[in-house]
Amino acid sequence: DGGITQSPKYLFRKEGQNVTLSCEQNLNHDAMYWYRQDPGQGLRLIYYSQIVNDFQKGDIAEGYSVSREKKESFPLTVTSAQKNPTAFYLCATASTGPNSPLHFGNGTRLTVT
Amino acid sequence: GDSVTQMEGPVTLSEEAFLTINCTYTATGYPSLFWYVQYPGEGLQLLLKATKADDKGSNKGFEATYRKETTSFHLEKGSVQVSDSAVYFCALTPNNAGNMLTFGGGTRLMVKP
Repeated sequence: DGGITQSPKYLFRKEGQNVTLSCEQNLNHDAMYWYRQDPGQGLRLIYYSQIVNDFQKGDIAEGYSVSREKKESFPLTVTSAQKNPTAFYLCATASTGPNSPLHFGNGTRLTVT
Repeated sequence: GDSVTQMEGPVTLSEEAFLTINCTYTATGYPSLFWYVQYPGEGLQLLLKATKADDKGSNKGFEATYRKETTSFHLEKGSVQVSDSAVYFCALTPNNAGNMLTFGGGTRLMVKP
């Protein structure tokens, strides 16, 4: 989706290092989400934010942190406390209102060795 | 809690074959149902949706009908093409829960010429 930019596409880190994944959107959407995708497990929600300066934990928030200082940006930090950080990370946005579809970025593949 | 179950893949078909990918859900109330598609190396794109019982969502030759009596939302296409090769995700959002999505595990479709 051209309106959501995730960078970088591929990221490599050594175990024990924190790493921050970027998500920027120009869709003027209020809600932003971070999902993690592992093979055969679908997508699992890490954190979400419905409004600037507010965010909520999803199903698998342990070992992750986020901030929402601007409407356009929702960076995700994968900390050294995350036991199994290697995965494909997807950022999504949505406008307000029920049943508004999620729009996804193209993802960042993080490999930690 | 809410959950979505999809048939395991991969599903391998010849071009012009009929496609069915099964999806069943568990949820309280009246969720909205979605199918998303993920092409290699990309994020997810909304394929179709249905927001109430007996609704039929359709797009690009794909269709799915919201069946409350069987809690199902099976994806169908009459004649698949090689370009349909992708991973397909069934998802739901609980009624009045904004955009919070619960995803199934995904089904990989491979179409051979």
